[in-house]
Amino acid sequence: DTGVSQNPRHKITKRGQNVTFRCDPISEHNRLYWYRQTLGQGPEFLTYFQNEAQLEKSRLLSDRFSAERPKGSFSTLEIQRTEQGDSAMYLCASSLGPSTNEKLFFGSGTQLSVL
Amino acid sequence: DAKTTQPPSMDCAEGRAANLPCNHSTISGNEYVYWYRQIHSQGPQYIIHGLKNNETNEMASLIITEDRKSSTLILPHATLRDTAVYYCIVRLPTLAGNMLTFGGGTRLMVKP
Repeated sequence: DTGVSQNPRHKITKRGQNVTFRCDPISEHNRLYWYRQTLGQGPEFLTYFQNEAQLEKSRLLSDRFSAERPKGSFSTLEIQRTEQGDSAMYLCASSLGPSTNEKLFFGSGTQLSVL
Repeated sequence: DAKTTQPPSMDCAEGRAANLPCNHSTISGNEYVYWYRQIHSQGPQYIIHGLKNNETNEMASLIITEDRKSSTLILPHATLRDTAVYYCIVRLPTLAGNMLTFGGGTRLMVKP
């Protein structure tokens, strides 16, 4: 399968713990996006990378959140001191850009539950 | 990015055409209309996009009105696997990141 891969699919953690998610994009894609989706809502943009550079961050990305893409390939999203409000689906997408015809390819997400 | 309005839900009989409307009355001249869909427990999937001309691909057709204030996504022969939430997004494509703003979408239920 050459699509976007996200691990783990599900994560249950206790409030106050740190969690880390991984995203492996489509191999030739240079852009990588993180989104968050809560139940019944559409996905919300968090941040994106072009190669290893983080070029945009949403105000939703509090200082407890950090994302990296050290070699311009896979990316990690870490949440420190998790809160119950962090419970959501975290989606990763990749694309080939820059292009005015840019299409995002999404993974199946990591479902986070904070108890 | 222009705001879009979609009906929250629609039903369609299997094998019939599904016509999903989207209103984007504040769209500007250079903004494109994108459609994505999200099947349960999966990430969104790109369907189609267009500027002013009608577009067709292997998944769907996109009809944009002449004044560009609304559009319709057409799934010509809906199947049960087309049951999903369909998102209409209006965005100015730039060489900067393509940060899509998803609204509530339309939940399409295809029934046997």
